[in-house]
Amino acid sequence: QKEVEQDPGPLSVPEGAIVSLNCTYSNSAFQYFMWYRQYSRKGPELLMYTYSSGNKEDGRFTAQVDKSSKYISLFIRDSQPSDSATYLCAMSPPGGTSYGKLTFGQGTILTVHP
Amino acid sequence: NAGVTQTPKFQVLKTGQSMTLQCAQDMNHNSMYWYRQDPGMGLRLIYYSASEGTTDKGEVPNGYNVSRLNKREFSLRLESAAPSQTSVYFCASSEPGGYGYTFGSGTRLTVV
Repeated sequence: QKEVEQDPGPLSVPEGAIVSLNCTYSNSAFQYFMWYRQYSRKGPELLMYTYSSGNKEDGRFTAQVDKSSKYISLFIRDSQPSDSATYLCAMSPPGGTSYGKLTFGQGTILTVHP
Repeated sequence: NAGVTQTPKFQVLKTGQSMTLQCAQDMNHNSMYWYRQDPGMGLRLIYYSASEGTTDKGEVPNGYNVSRLNKREFSLRLESAAPSQTSVYFCASSEPGGYGYTFGSGTRLTVV
């Protein structure tokens, strides 16, 4: 069993829809949770990060962490065609990535069609 | 522009050939990483370097070696390439005490 599980999709939604992307994990030591966005033939770029449990909002994006269920989510409101990309969740133990290593999910391919 | 630079962007090798993937960052980051990305497998850590002068194995180190040449540069070497090493390779770096990586644009390697 992988430490981090992510539904690879693909997920196709109409423009303006609310998108929900999810990951589950098994390692209770994970404390830092991140979402990366990767456009085709590009490197991943950091979208959001959160520490421990709770919510964090940045514009149309909201990240949620439920440590009791070992479950994290990324919500995209009013989705746009420019949001079409692969979204990867990533996690690390305490100390940040300088001291540990990020463990990634498999990535979910999202397409937002006009 | 500041960031992580990888060379080459594309490479085709024959089985048994060797090559070195180069990575350099200009953000004064201490930590650097090499990942490979395969369909359905996500990103898997090959090697990482927490700081200059140190390197450690990741999840899939077999068939690879690394060198942390200085604080800026971290290279990945394939001594005898195999078709199973066909993949997209990403280098990344992170700031001290920071969270989240900055990735390069990747090297697409095909071994025939």
